[in-house]
Amino acid sequence: GENVEQHPSTLSVQEGDSAVIKCTYSDSASNYFPWYKQELGKRPQLIIDIRSNVGEKKDQRIAVTLNKTAKHFSLHITETQPEDSAVYFCAASRWGNTGKLIFGQGTTLQVKP
Amino acid sequence: GAVVSQHPSWVICKSGTSVKIECRSLDFQATTMFWYRQFPKQSLMLMATSNEGSKATYEQGVEKDKFLINHASLTLSTLTVTSAHPEDSSFYICSVMARGISEKLFFGSGTQLSVL
Repeated sequence: GENVEQHPSTLSVQEGDSAVIKCTYSDSASNYFPWYKQELGKRPQLIIDIRSNVGEKKDQRIAVTLNKTAKHFSLHITETQPEDSAVYFCAASRWGNTGKLIFGQGTTLQVKP
Repeated sequence: GAVVSQHPSWVICKSGTSVKIECRSLDFQATTMFWYRQFPKQSLMLMATSNEGSKATYEQGVEKDKFLINHASLTLSTLTVTSAHPEDSSFYICSVMARGISEKLFFGSGTQLSVL
């Protein structure tokens, strides 16, 4: 079945450093790749997404890259701040078909002041 | 973005009772809603896809007779956990596909269920 692998499971960085989280998906028909930030006990918040017709997308300090051939995509956060500390989830979907998201296992990011 | 309301936000119940969770899209019509379950420090696991006016599609391993889903209107889907047991204690969260608005998924606020 469809599967999304996410690494690392935990990541600790110093404030101002960059953080990179990587995901690999199994379904070659996936065409939509969102990233969510979730704080404890709260709903996931969409922070950035990318579709399969694009290789890279950037929004201020956040960027996502996609390699369709290798079936992996990554989240890059630059100039990290303590408020970036949260759990981050990647996901993959066949958008336009079912819209069903398959989530990665999550990465707990800690930004130390 | 789209507004998705989920109620209740938390519920405590006795083992053997049933609990109903509501998910509403407040500012658009949602033909498809998704129900997820999240155990502590784990990822979101898709339970079922809820389609307006038809039977829900359940993921492998999810008991359809235990987790009843009703999507009777374009703005409301409900998940009923029947005969709840302590192992059903989890964070349940719905999401709504916002077609025609932004082609994105929006999540409800989630329901923390604790079964004693």
